[in-house]
Amino acid sequence: GEDVEQSLFLSVREGDSSVINCTYTDSSSTYLYWYKQEPGAGLQLLTYIFSNMDMKQDQRLTVLLNKKDKHLSLRIADTQTGDSAIYFCAESVTGANNLFFGTGTRLTVIP
Amino acid sequence: GAGVSQTPSNKVTEKGKYVELRCDPISGHTALYWYRQSLGQGPEFLIYFQGTGAADDSGLPNDRFFAVRPEGSVSTLKIQRTERGDSAVYLCASSPDRQETQYFGPGTRLLVL
Repeated sequence: GEDVEQSLFLSVREGDSSVINCTYTDSSSTYLYWYKQEPGAGLQLLTYIFSNMDMKQDQRLTVLLNKKDKHLSLRIADTQTGDSAIYFCAESVTGANNLFFGTGTRLTVIP
Repeated sequence: GAGVSQTPSNKVTEKGKYVELRCDPISGHTALYWYRQSLGQGPEFLIYFQGTGAADDSGLPNDRFFAVRPEGSVSTLKIQRTERGDSAVYLCASSPDRQETQYFGPGTRLLVL
């Protein structure tokens, strides 16, 4: 099946930028998503990008998509302690009904 | 407006018992999905409903798992003869239609002793 990979951990200092990376294998992706999961909670949709776009900016969040390299990143500007969570990238693929998720990146923000 | 809700939030059961997990999607969303999230993993697809029918149940791990959505709104995931390996967080999501953005509920944490 489709393979979506993320690094497991990232630590940043409060106020710095965070960059969370994701790679995927299926070239027939339609949308790519970033979800945030806080401890004991469900998945909160942060942002998404259509597969024919290169970049999307939404307040402190910037999504970059390199379709040639099948690489997606999420940049969080001015990272705050409340941003500490697990971040999942997910892919929707032509012909499939479900999303394919990575294993998640645990972001720790150090005050 | 109200998001996706799931009940119970936590369920502890004994091996071999039967459990039912409920999902109440966002009003008007025709598509409903169940996923399972094991510790330290991302969610994995179980089943997808479009309206009342299970349009894709390819993710159900075996015939102990079954789900219904009789009126095209609330869905129930049913697990028979539970096993310790069924312990996970069961997430429900809904979307306005197929292949549109999915919104997730808080999940049900199932622990099989």
